[in-house]
Amino acid sequence: GIQVEQSPPDLILQEGANSTLRCNFSDSVNNLQWFHQNPWGQLINLFYIPSGTKQNGRLSATTVATERYSLLYISSSQTTDSGVYFCAVERGGGATNKLIFGTGTLLAVQP
Amino acid sequence: GAVVSQHPSWVICKSGTSVKIECRSLDFQATTMFWYRQFPKQSLMLMATSNEGSKATYEQGVEKDKFLINHASLTLSTLTVTSAHPEDSSFYICSATRVGYQPQHFGDGTRLSIL
Repeated sequence: GIQVEQSPPDLILQEGANSTLRCNFSDSVNNLQWFHQNPWGQLINLFYIPSGTKQNGRLSATTVATERYSLLYISSSQTTDSGVYFCAVERGGGATNKLIFGTGTLLAVQP
Repeated sequence: GAVVSQHPSWVICKSGTSVKIECRSLDFQATTMFWYRQFPKQSLMLMATSNEGSKATYEQGVEKDKFLINHASLTLSTLTVTSAHPEDSSFYICSATRVGYQPQHFGDGTRLSIL
């Protein structure tokens, strides 16, 4: 099956710093999503981005589907950005929309 | 819009009992719901895909008789962990979607602890 690898696995930042998280996938995908899982386990949908670039406040994401990777940029990080960031990809056509989650990046933003 | 409610959020029970977890789409009709399991410090693993009115499709390695899934209506899917044991302790998360619509919308998850 498709492999979804994220890097780095762990990241510690000082508040205000910028960072880039990477998601590599081993096969072509129909869709890609980025999630933030907060310390309570809630999954927050950040971006639905099968291709191109999107921005939402301090966050932006770029997916280059032909090269099988996606990047999540966090600027001016805040302590509330701490948690685990997952990318997830959807393979195949039809209506199943089955998502395969990546390995995750654990982010800790220190004050 | 697109709110998914999962209940309960936290449950502790004795080994051997069965536990039912509900996943509801509150403001849309979910033709498909998904159930994921997450162990501590690990990623989410898809357990099964549930389509309204039909049998669930389980991922390889997931015991159908252990994890019973019912999707009887367009707004409700249930996961029942039967005869639960400590190794079934985990974080279970559901998601819901509609045909042709993206993205998936996730519930807040259920922490299951089996003593």
